[in-house]
Amino acid sequence: QVQLVESGGGVVQPGRSLRLSCVDSGFTFSTHPMHWVRQSPGKGPEWLAVISKDGNNQDYADSVRGRFTISRDNSKKTLYLQMDSLRVDDTAIYYCAREGMDSGSWGYFEFWGQGSLVTVSS
Amino acid sequence: QSALTQPASVSGSPEESITISCTGTSSDVGNWNVVSWYQQHPGKAPQLLIYGVTKRPSGVPNRFSGSKSGNTASLTISGLQSEDEAEYYCFSYASGGLYVFGPGTKVTVL
Repeated sequence: QVQLVESGGGVVQPGRSLRLSCVDSGFTFSTHPMHWVRQSPGKGPEWLAVISKDGNNQDYADSVRGRFTISRDNSKKTLYLQMDSLRVDDTAIYYCAREGMDSGSWGYFEFWGQGSLVTVSS
Repeated sequence: QSALTQPASVSGSPEESITISCTGTSSDVGNWNVVSWYQQHPGKAPQLLIYGVTKRPSGVPNRFSGSKSGNTASLTISGLQSEDEAEYYCFSYASGGLYVFGPGTKVTVL
């Protein structure tokens, strides 16, 4: 069974950086695109970024493009989110999610991590 | 980026059927069969209910079903149960490598 475990969250001042990690305990990490999704307190989820299976292609939501960088190390079965120039409104629970691929379907999240809380505050 | 719309809340009595709509545009829901639905209980991560507009993962009860017409996707819960009280989110590919969530619908079981 796939298990995604995030780490790296915490309290950080505005303007500073933080890097989140997401480790996949399964055996098929390198065969699936991976995403980051966040959820601010009391709000719905917000899609942030996606990275291809081989790590060569990434796409970002407008809200984080240019500040956040998604990357992966398939040898370590680990997904990363480098967050720079953090703002107060980046405060949220950050989830990594594995994209499913089934019978021609794609672009959905079959597995989610438990989430990592990032609080941006002075 | 595009935005999807969902009703803020839907309610129903046990065993009733309810439908949650998710309206987008011809750039997202209307143009791609890449719509999925997620259920979220308080304090938990979202869980996949429906993918590819109509497909249901193993383990998801068959009272959950999905459909799409034009720019609107729908999630139907047939035979509402108390444990279905939760927040429901639609999610769609939005062209150009981007994706978007709906704002969510709170389902209340009366």
